[in-house]
Amino acid sequence: AQSVTQLGSHVSVSEGALVLLRCNYSSSVPPYLFWYVQYPNQGLQLLLKYTTGATLVKGINGFEAEFKKSETSFHLTKPSAHMSDAAEYFCAGTYSGAGSYQLTFGKGTKLSVIP
Amino acid sequence: NAGVTQTPKFRVLKTGQSMTLLCAQDMNHEYMYWYRQDPGMGLRLIHYSVGEGTTAKGEVPDGYNVSRLKKQNFLLGLESAAPSQTSVYFCASITVQRAGNEQFFGPGTRLTVL
Repeated sequence: AQSVTQLGSHVSVSEGALVLLRCNYSSSVPPYLFWYVQYPNQGLQLLLKYTTGATLVKGINGFEAEFKKSETSFHLTKPSAHMSDAAEYFCAGTYSGAGSYQLTFGKGTKLSVIP
Repeated sequence: NAGVTQTPKFRVLKTGQSMTLLCAQDMNHEYMYWYRQDPGMGLRLIHYSVGEGTTAKGEVPDGYNVSRLKKQNFLLGLESAAPSQTSVYFCASITVQRAGNEQFFGPGTRLTVL
């Protein structure tokens, strides 16, 4: 079974510091990968996605992620954290061979930003 | 476009009661999904539909039923609610016209079963 693993259920960073949220996937077939953000009591909003082509993907709000096939990773980064980045982040993947386009989610990482 | 909408936003049930959650999308998306979100568990797929009149089980289907009589609507039913079904429920939809498209999510329904 395919799986997506997020390392760290909680991450705290200081305002202005680098944000790094880790995501690894298990598959011999590169998947389509997504990062979603969830603010308190809201739905999920797409931050960025990797399908094919360029392995460095830029998203909204200054976030970016790099697809590394050799490491089966898709870590999310932002150079300088802002208070408004405090939220829960989910990494998810789907596979081109999965006809249902089901998303497999990681368990989420809650990001706290310390002033 | 309203995107994906969910009704109701909140609901409290007693054990054994039944209810239906409604998901509607106005994007003409082919596929629709129901997830539940529990603390520390991420989102888990309950059921999904690849088209009008078709449904399939996901990871955690027990205790739920679904129907997709119209392309734009996807209903999730709880016939006899249990406290273990206390959760936040999200609906999502996707167009499969292009590979790699993302799922669009509704705002969620917070359900408490007493």
